[in-house]
Amino acid sequence: RKEVEQDPGPFNVPEGATVAFNCTYSNSASQSFFWYRQDCRKEPKLLMSVYSSGNEDGRFTAQLNRASQYISLLIRDSKLSDSATYLCVVNRETNAGKSTFGDGTTLTVKP
Amino acid sequence: NAGVTQTPKFQVLKTGQSMTLQCAQDMNHNSMYWYRQDPGMGLRLIYYSASEGTTDKGEVPNGYNVSRLNKREFSLRLESAAPSQTSVYFCASSDRQNQPQHFGDGTRLSIL
Repeated sequence: RKEVEQDPGPFNVPEGATVAFNCTYSNSASQSFFWYRQDCRKEPKLLMSVYSSGNEDGRFTAQLNRASQYISLLIRDSKLSDSATYLCVVNRETNAGKSTFGDGTTLTVKP
Repeated sequence: NAGVTQTPKFQVLKTGQSMTLQCAQDMNHNSMYWYRQDPGMGLRLIYYSASEGTTDKGEVPNGYNVSRLNKREFSLRLESAAPSQTSVYFCASSDRQNQPQHFGDGTRLSIL
């Protein structure tokens, strides 16, 4: 089993739709969590950190469920520009310097 | 703000040739990383440097060496390139080990 797993998709949604991605992690010692966005053939870019209390940034909401060991990303009112691959990232404090990236979930928003 | 700068952006090598990929960051970050990403796959960690003066192997270190030249610079060397090393290579840095990473825009490397 992979340490971090994501549904690869693709998720094809119309503009304005709400879409949610989940990411599960296997190591209960994981300490910090992030969502990144990667456009085709470009570098990953930080979308948002994920805090225990959940956090929101505009149309994006991230949540952490430690008991079930998953994080989620909710995108409301999808835009064409949201089309990208979304990567979840899990850090373990004890594994100094190493983040584990999921393989990503591909989202295509259509007119 | 430059952030993380990688050179070169593109390179074509012949099997057996050697080359060094350069990475520099201007954010005064302590930790630096090298990843490779193959088509349709996720990022795989090659080597990382948690702090200046230290380097450690990641998930796929075979065929590569690294040097943390100073706090700013972290280079990746292919001693004898193989077609299996054809990939996009990303360098990243972070302030501390559990902080988000900032990526360079990648080096696209083809080995014939």
